[in-house]
Amino acid sequence: GDSVTQMEGPVTLSEEAFLTINCTYTATGYPSLFWYVQYPGEGLQLLLKATKADDKGSNKGFEATYRKETTSFHLEKGSVQVSDSAVYFCALTQMDTGRRALTFGSGTRLQVQP
Amino acid sequence: EAGVAQSPRYKIIEKRQSVAFWCNPISGHATLYWYQQILGQGPKLLIQFQNNGVVDDSQLPKDRFSAERLKGVDSTLKIQPAKLEDSAVYLCASSFTRSGANVLTFGAGSRLTVL
Repeated sequence: GDSVTQMEGPVTLSEEAFLTINCTYTATGYPSLFWYVQYPGEGLQLLLKATKADDKGSNKGFEATYRKETTSFHLEKGSVQVSDSAVYFCALTQMDTGRRALTFGSGTRLQVQP
Repeated sequence: EAGVAQSPRYKIIEKRQSVAFWCNPISGHATLYWYQQILGQGPKLLIQFQNNGVVDDSQLPKDRFSAERLKGVDSTLKIQPAKLEDSAVYLCASSFTRSGANVLTFGAGSRLTVL
C-alpha cells in the first residue's frame, strides 16, 4: 500500500536558519502530495500541496517540489522564525481512486530557538 | 466559513467503558473522515464516508469501533468497550468532492485517555 516516510525529529534550529525536512513516498500511479502543519494546541492545517511531477507548492515562505524521479517532496524554508515551531506532516492522496483519504507520515517536530 | 466542529475536546474513561465522539463537517462537504492520532505518530484513517455511505473502513477495528453518518451531515464515532491502546486524539476532517487535489479540513480533535 501507499506510505510516507519522514525524517525523525525533533529538528532544532536557531532563528533565521535554513530548514529542510525530508519526505519520501511509496505509491502507485500519480499521487498528490501535501504538507500539513500542527501548531501547539491547534488542529492540522494545510501548508502547501502539489498535484503533479515538478510542481512546486509554496506558502508562508515554505516550499516543496514534487520529484517523481526520487519520489520525494522535501519541505524547505530559507529563514525560520520562532513562530514556525510546530509538527510538520507529509501526506499523499490518490486522486484517481474513490478513496481520496490522506496517508500521513509520522511527523517531524521543529523547534526554533530565538 | 465555519470550520469542522468536534466534541468533546477531552474525555477520560476507564477501560471497558464506552465513549462517543461527534463531528459536524463544513457545510456542503460531502466527504467525511475519522482519523486516529496516537501520540508521536501520524494520523491513521479509520473510516471515510461519502455522503452517508461508507467508502473505506478497512482499518476500523469493527469489534469495538463503530461510526455512522446519518443524513449525510453529522457523524458519530463510538468505541465500546475501550482498551488502553485506544488512548489517542480522534480527528474528524471533511472535504468537498471535486476534481483536482483533495484538500481536507480538520477539526481540533477529541483527546481520549483510557485508564
